[in-house]
Amino acid sequence: AQSVSQHNHHVILSEAASLELGCNYSYGGTVNLFWYVQYPGQHLQLLLKYFSGDPLVKGIKGFEAEFIKSKFSFNLRKPSVQWSDTAEYFCAVNVRGRGYTDKLIFGTGTRLQVFP
Amino acid sequence: DAGVIQSPRHEVTEMGQEVTLRCKPISGHDYLFWYRQTMMRGLELLIYFNNNVPIDDSGMPEDRFSAKMPNASFSTLKIQPSEPRDSAVYFCASSLAALGEQFFGPGTRLTVL
Repeated sequence: AQSVSQHNHHVILSEAASLELGCNYSYGGTVNLFWYVQYPGQHLQLLLKYFSGDPLVKGIKGFEAEFIKSKFSFNLRKPSVQWSDTAEYFCAVNVRGRGYTDKLIFGTGTRLQVFP
Repeated sequence: DAGVIQSPRHEVTEMGQEVTLRCKPISGHDYLFWYRQTMMRGLELLIYFNNNVPIDDSGMPEDRFSAKMPNASFSTLKIQPSEPRDSAVYFCASSLAALGEQFFGPGTRLTVL
């Protein structure tokens, strides 16, 4: 079955540290990839997305992600985190299932805490 | 646009009661999704609609859960009877296309005592 794995469940960083959150998926077909962010007490918001083209995708708030097809990965990066980046981050991959229904499969999320 | 609207924002009920969660998608979006978020299971897709028609309900936990979309601007998720294990945050999301960006509502935090 298709799945999305986020191996870092909880990451703690100091401000200005660099961030990389891992995301791997198990799906051999063409994929659309997303990173969503959920700030404390808020709903999910899109950070960035990859459909095709340049595998290095830039999103909002200085985040970027790189799609490496050979590794089935879509890791999220930020060179210098801020306290306001404290949130939960979800990787998601679209799936074309039986009957050609299309749905988004989310990873379990990574909780990022940034300390001043 | 006001974004995806959900009501109520918080619901506390007793076991056995019927619970109805409501969602208004973004105007013009053809797809509507219902998700459940818990600490144990993360974010799970329950069901989604395309043009008001349920397409995939394989994530609906059991017969106690039902969802409807009577028109393009309104959907409900009903739990009857509710159980404590149904306690979670329920999100509604909408999108222009099945594989496009999904816009999430603020969620309904359900507590079943």
